[in-house]
Amino acid sequence: DVKVTQSSRYLVKRTGEKVFLECVQDMDHENMFWYRQDPGLGLRLIYFSYDVKMKEKGDIPEGYSVSREKKERFSLILESASTNQTSMYLCASSTRGRFLNTEAFFGQGTRLTVV
Amino acid sequence: DAKTTQPNSMESNEEEPVHLPCNHSTISGTDYIHWYRQLPSQGPEYVIHGLTSNVNNRMASLAIAEDRKSSTLILHRATLRDAAVYYCILRDVRNSNDYKLSFGAGTTVTVRA
Repeated sequence: DVKVTQSSRYLVKRTGEKVFLECVQDMDHENMFWYRQDPGLGLRLIYFSYDVKMKEKGDIPEGYSVSREKKERFSLILESASTNQTSMYLCASSTRGRFLNTEAFFGQGTRLTVV
Repeated sequence: DAKTTQPNSMESNEEEPVHLPCNHSTISGTDYIHWYRQLPSQGPEYVIHGLTSNVNNRMASLAIAEDRKSSTLILHRATLRDAAVYYCILRDVRNSNDYKLSFGAGTTVTVRA
């Protein structure tokens, strides 16, 4: 059974803290993604990675960074957490595929609250 | 990037069909049409995808207009478990650098018992 695992389901952090959200996939996928989801806004892409050590900004990268040192692991970093980063964070992975028509698999999400 | 437009919400009765429209008037010839859904408190899951021809799988059917400027996801007999947010997205096959997978706000489907 394919799996994308996010390290925490719920997380509470203080303003100014450095926060690490971890995501691991066991499908040997090349592509990995980080999204945040807020009511009424749908899923917004923060960063994605198409290979180890490769990363590209998504639609809302400000305030975030990422790390992909190993193929199976993609970390999202909040350098200095702020209350407006309180959100549901979703990780996803997909294979590159010949025609880019392959499905993406999502983790269960991490609900982060910054107080 | 080609964009999609979906209604914000739709309601259906249990065991009735649900037709979810998606407009993509700027679709290019190499864009695949993908549908995902997100059940409450879960991450999104893949539903179906297609390029030109209508597609069927165990979850749903995808009807694609002849000019490809619109498509419809069809849930043949809605159940309470189909209550979710449904996302229609496009992926460009031609652009090998297009690894992005961008979602809009989707359509929230409510199923009445």
